[in-house]
Amino acid sequence: QVHLVESGGGVVQPGKSLRLSCAASGFSFSNFGMHWVRQAPGKGLEWVAFLSYDGNDKYYAVSVKGRFIISRDNSKNTVSLQMNSLRPEDTAVYYCAKKDRHSSGGSLDYWGQGSLVTVSS
Amino acid sequence: SYVLIQAPSGSVAPGQTARITCGGNNIGTKSVHWYQQKPGQAPVLVIEYDRDRPSGIPERFSGSNSGNTATLTISRVEAGDEADYHCQVWDSDSDHWVFGGGTKLSVL
Repeated sequence: QVHLVESGGGVVQPGKSLRLSCAASGFSFSNFGMHWVRQAPGKGLEWVAFLSYDGNDKYYAVSVKGRFIISRDNSKNTVSLQMNSLRPEDTAVYYCAKKDRHSSGGSLDYWGQGSLVTVSS
Repeated sequence: SYVLIQAPSGSVAPGQTARITCGGNNIGTKSVHWYQQKPGQAPVLVIEYDRDRPSGIPERFSGSNSGNTATLTISRVEAGDEADYHCQVWDSDSDHWVFGGGTKLSVL
C-alpha cells in the first residue's frame, strides 16, 4: 500500500532555512507527481507546491514562490521541500501528497502524516 | 486567483443526511475533490472528480457539481463521520491547486 513519511520538521528562527523530506513507498514513485500542502494551526489546507513525475514542471503558491524549492530524487523515492527565508506565518504542519493518475490537475490521493514546522524566535 | 467558499461549520443528527457545499465561480466546469480530515490526522480523499468514490470509501458518501456549487452528501450519518471536510479544484489558469476553507461537521 502507499506510504508517505515526512521528516525534517522542527523549530527554526525567522529568516532561517529548513529542509523537509518525504519518503515514498508502495507505488511506482517515478510515474507520479508529488505535492506539498500545509495547514497552519486551527486553519484549513493550503497547497504549497507541485513537482511533476519527471521533475520538469514545478508550480508554487504565491505565498512561497521565490523562497521554497521543491525537488525529487526518483532513484531514492523521495521528494523534498527546501524552505528559505522562513517567516512566522510559515508555521504549519506540512504534508506531502501523491498526485492521482490523471495527466493534469487532479486530486491528491494519498497523504503522509505530516511534519510540524514552527518559525519562532 | 480562484476562490472556493465553504461554510465554517455544520451539524447533523445521527442517521440523517449531511450536505456540505463548496462555492466557486462556474465550479461546475471544474472537477471537484473532497477530503475528510479527523482531528490530529492527515486528510483522506473521499470523493474525486465530482462524484467518484475511491476504493474503501463507503457508499454513504456521494458528490455532485453544477453551476456555482459542488456538494458532498453523507447519508445515514454516523458518529465517526464527525470531521473537517475540504473541497479542492485545480485552477488551470494559474496551474495552482486550490482548497476551500473547510467545513467542520458535528454529529449531534
